[in-house]
Amino acid sequence: GAVVSQHPSRVICKSGTSVKIECRSLDFQATTMFWYRQFPKQSLMLMATSNEGSKATYEQGVEKDKFLINHASLTLSTLTVTSAHPEDSSFYICSARRGQSTGELFFGEGSRLTVL
Amino acid sequence: AQTVTQSQPEMSVQEAETVTLSCTYDTSESDYYLFWYKQPPSRQMILVIRQEAYKQQNATENRFSVNFQKAAKSFSLKISDSQLGDAAMYFCAYRSAKRGAAGNKLTFGGGTRVLVKP
Repeated sequence: GAVVSQHPSRVICKSGTSVKIECRSLDFQATTMFWYRQFPKQSLMLMATSNEGSKATYEQGVEKDKFLINHASLTLSTLTVTSAHPEDSSFYICSARRGQSTGELFFGEGSRLTVL
Repeated sequence: AQTVTQSQPEMSVQEAETVTLSCTYDTSESDYYLFWYKQPPSRQMILVIRQEAYKQQNATENRFSVNFQKAAKSFSLKISDSQLGDAAMYFCAYRSAKRGAAGNKLTFGGGTRVLVKP
């Protein structure tokens, strides 16, 4: 299957700093990528849909200025958590769609963010 | 909005036995996709099986099979001959077949943890 890679897999930062997480589709082009957040022992909650070359579409309740998403190329989307606070600590997972609207989705390995 | 419900937080199965995970969903659409994903301790989401709503035949993938009841909006997963490596969180998910933004999103259920006893 196709490969989606996230980096870093684990990051610890101080409160008030910003953290960037990268999501790359390694062997296919992804016009659309998705960012999810997963709290311990809970399900995945969609945060935003990232479209190459255009603004991301955020889900209701997700702060656009807090979670900056950039999809500058067909193989890379980034999520920046700005002015991170302890409540932003979570597991962040990206997925990328291969092909058009009914294309299969492939998931990254996830990134665990811990804000001290 | 679509919702997906998994009523079993945890299921335990003896190795080599069979376990069935429940999933129900709510939608007003007639065409959509349903999925079961496995999330092992590594947290990597792995697609287990996929079902197109327009297909009446239940999908199967080796030891994994589904019972898709469209009228009842039910989509259960059966794991046969359970193996230790099957231990993981299992998520049921829904995706619209509409093109555009609506067809992008995966809506996940709350998950069911499967424990496999040797």
